[in-house]
Amino acid sequence: EPEVTQTPSHQVTQMGQEVILRCVPISNHLYFYWYRQILGQKVEFLVSFYNNEISEKSEIFDDQFSVERPDGSNFTLKIRSTKLEDSAMYFCASSDSGGTAHEQFFGPGTRLTVL
Amino acid sequence: AQSVTQLDSQVPVFEEAPVELRCNYSSSVSVYLFWYVQYPNQGLQLLLKYLSGSTLVKGINGFEAEFNKSQTSFHLRKPSVHISDTAEYFCAVSDPGGATNKLIFGTGTLLAVQP
Repeated sequence: EPEVTQTPSHQVTQMGQEVILRCVPISNHLYFYWYRQILGQKVEFLVSFYNNEISEKSEIFDDQFSVERPDGSNFTLKIRSTKLEDSAMYFCASSDSGGTAHEQFFGPGTRLTVL
Repeated sequence: AQSVTQLDSQVPVFEEAPVELRCNYSSSVSVYLFWYVQYPNQGLQLLLKYLSGSTLVKGINGFEAEFNKSQTSFHLRKPSVHISDTAEYFCAVSDPGGATNKLIFGTGTLLAVQP
């Protein structure tokens, strides 16, 4: 069964460093998303991406964040200068349609720890 | 704007007992409703969704949920749980008229099934 994969499973970094979180969406999907969950808080939408551009982004997704689909398989989230409050579990998701009725398939997440 | 409340952070239950996980939402427009499950070290998996029509929705693994518009609730139920149902359960909504199908999640409920 096709699945979304994410690497690494756990990333530890120093404050101010750049991190890149990687995701491989399901191969025939066209819509991609990043969510995050700070420990004990809600899963929060960060950004959606379609046709090589951002479709929608939340207030959290400021200039420190960027997304990219560098090739036909990977979808990345970059945080340029990490802050302590960026520590969270980051989930990637993909779907075959942008319509709200279509299921989003999630990866297992990357736990980011900023020291 | 939509929001989702899951009042129970953890629900302990004995094996073969019934369980109900509560979800309430707030929205000024009609919404689509979802329940996702996250097993340890895995991604979020869709259990069931309500889009329209019958208010009782059946999902995978014997779960069902009932949409109650007047109470703005979408509680998840299972008549008899198994040890393998131990997981984190997330309620989510999306806006059918939204630009993208971003999901808005609750904080999750940990279902802990004891033998």
